[in-house]
Amino acid sequence: AQKITQTQPGMFVQEKEAVTLDCTYDTSDPSYGLFWYKQPSSGEMIFLIYQGSYDQQNATEGRYSLNFQKARKSANLVISASQLGDSAMYFCAMRLGSSNTGKLIFGQGTTLQVKP
Amino acid sequence: DTAVSQTPKYLVTQMGNDKSIKCEQNLGHDTMYWYKQDSKKFLKIMFSYNNKELIINETVPNRFSPKSPDKAHLNLHINSLELGDSAVYFCASSQGSKLNQPQHFGDGTRLSIL
Repeated sequence: AQKITQTQPGMFVQEKEAVTLDCTYDTSDPSYGLFWYKQPSSGEMIFLIYQGSYDQQNATEGRYSLNFQKARKSANLVISASQLGDSAMYFCAMRLGSSNTGKLIFGQGTTLQVKP
Repeated sequence: DTAVSQTPKYLVTQMGNDKSIKCEQNLGHDTMYWYKQDSKKFLKIMFSYNNKELIINETVPNRFSPKSPDKAHLNLHINSLELGDSAVYFCASSQGSKLNQPQHFGDGTRLSIL
């Protein structure tokens, strides 16, 4: 069954430090895409970064990078130089290549708190 | 300009009522979605429309009826509201269903059933 697992319900990080949010996925589909979204306390969902299953390099977007380990089926989000505004809930999500629907399968989310 | 806009942002109503949530996107996308986020923050797909055609209905009760009058709009009508319908409902859109196309979300509609 296709599934996304985020095992860290909550994380703390000191401002300006780096933090890694874990995400593991389960699918037998060879083609898939992995996404990370940020949900601040205001409630909106903000797209952060994408990694395709066939991408050779790990994705990076500014302070966000994805540590993609295909054999371990993990796609951890790394946030460098944490800022107070990074405090939010973070969701990992997967889209399957075999599906024509485009739907996202979400993990349970990780709440990140950045300490000053 | 807001890319994906939902109205209303908050909806408080009584059990048994019928209500609608509207969604509009100005990104020129051809695929739109409805997701439900429950009290534990878990997000799950409800419906997906591509070019006004329904392509996903994820075992959602018949009380929920999406309507897409055109590519830019996907509204959600809910009949006979129940306590379990209390949640945040998100509309989203993307350009097709290609793997690398992110979905852009609206700000959500918080539905509370009294």
